[in-house]
Amino acid sequence: DIQMTQSPSSLSASVGDRVTITCRTSQSISRYLNWYQDKPGKAPKVLISAASTLQSGVPSRFSGGGSGTDFTLTISSLQPEDFATYYCQQSYSIPYTFGQGTRLEIK
Amino acid sequence: QVQLVESGGGVVQPGKSLRLSCVGSGFTFSRYALHWVRQAPGRGPEWVAVISNDDINKYYADSVKGRFTISRDNSRDTLYLQMNSLRPEDTAVYYCARGTGTVFLGNFDDWGQGTLVSVSS
Repeated sequence: DIQMTQSPSSLSASVGDRVTITCRTSQSISRYLNWYQDKPGKAPKVLISAASTLQSGVPSRFSGGGSGTDFTLTISSLQPEDFATYYCQQSYSIPYTFGQGTRLEIK
Repeated sequence: QVQLVESGGGVVQPGKSLRLSCVGSGFTFSRYALHWVRQAPGRGPEWVAVISNDDINKYYADSVKGRFTISRDNSRDTLYLQMNSLRPEDTAVYYCARGTGTVFLGNFDDWGQGTLVSVSS
């Protein structure tokens, strides 16, 4: 199974800040990496697929990058609605696996 | 728009069975692979199973293999998850998710609202 390691596990930031979350995989997955936003009581929402493709309706302040084993999710200017937990997920091979999550909190 | 609606969750004792359903609409159901993904309280998502659009290929997470069975009825636009020999660690919100045209690309593009399964004596 492909292991996913996200860092940091939690992050405190202020509205307007730029933040970056990283995700490392235990083997190369090319660009088969998705990012999700998770809020309590809601289903996870896909933000970015194929490492850098922004999903329809997702604000342009979100961006993704990387390939192989190292990936990033960047939020260029945090908005109040962005405070949530973020997960990376590999879509390369079964079993599909998620990172342990990064909880983004208001400073 | 794409809509997925799960049902069938509830409270069940360890060792018992439960069947979840997921009805899809707003897309051509028979063209897509479909997944079950679960999320235990306070934990991250965990992929559970996938079924191909034609009901031929099925894959499972090791944690449920031999106990859970994924199936679909394309004539009813419905996905199922038969869960047997339930354990307390199966307690989670279970989501169905629309995939792509193949089981071998694990994108979860659309999710239902989830149904809660609680396994407790």
